[in-house]
Amino acid sequence: DQQVKQNSPSLSVQEGRISILNCDYTNSMFDYFLWYKKYPAEGPTFLISISSIKDKNEDGRFTVFLNKSAKHLSLHIVPSQPGDSAVYFCAASQYNQGGKLIFGQGTELSVKP
Amino acid sequence: EADIYQTPRYLVIGTGKKITLECSQTMGHDKMYWYQQDPGMELHLIHYSYGVNSTEKGDLSSESTVSRIRTEHFPLTLESARPSHTSQYLCASSVGFGYTFGSGTRLTVV
Repeated sequence: DQQVKQNSPSLSVQEGRISILNCDYTNSMFDYFLWYKKYPAEGPTFLISISSIKDKNEDGRFTVFLNKSAKHLSLHIVPSQPGDSAVYFCAASQYNQGGKLIFGQGTELSVKP
Repeated sequence: EADIYQTPRYLVIGTGKKITLECSQTMGHDKMYWYQQDPGMELHLIHYSYGVNSTEKGDLSSESTVSRIRTEHFPLTLESARPSHTSQYLCASSVGFGYTFGSGTRLTVV
């Protein structure tokens, strides 16, 4: 049973526009959520995170929104740049489970010039 | 500059061979992890360690084994490689929720 789901395997956006990547989860005990960015043949790199006590966290062009009642989070990138093209993974964690991360399947973002 | 190192980056090996994937970190993190990832799929946790001489199996069953004799070193071993082991293997270490991943090993078993 997959606890973290990214239902869109790919997303294509024009440069300068907003990219919105979505993530749903089933475990209401998750208390921390993260987004990672991954290029081919490299490991994921941390992008932004949010605690379950917040509903929004912003870092430059990246904003993560958390809707606990819907068990949904989203990553907004604005404005999108060609260098943002990568696979984005949503991950969730439960503090009393030792901080292990559960990942979604990833969404491949393509930003076209 | 990477603080967690994985070698080799790429490995093509024949069926039945024994292999060890190396992972080392210089950050002094107690927690280390091995994830397996296939294209278009999520990262699956296969092993983790919360410190020296502590290892546990992850959520995805794996025929590989790990050891943690030193804090900085967390190697993964496959005693007899099979084509079903073909995948990308990612090592990570963490403090709190802050994970740092290595560049991964792309393993192909022919």
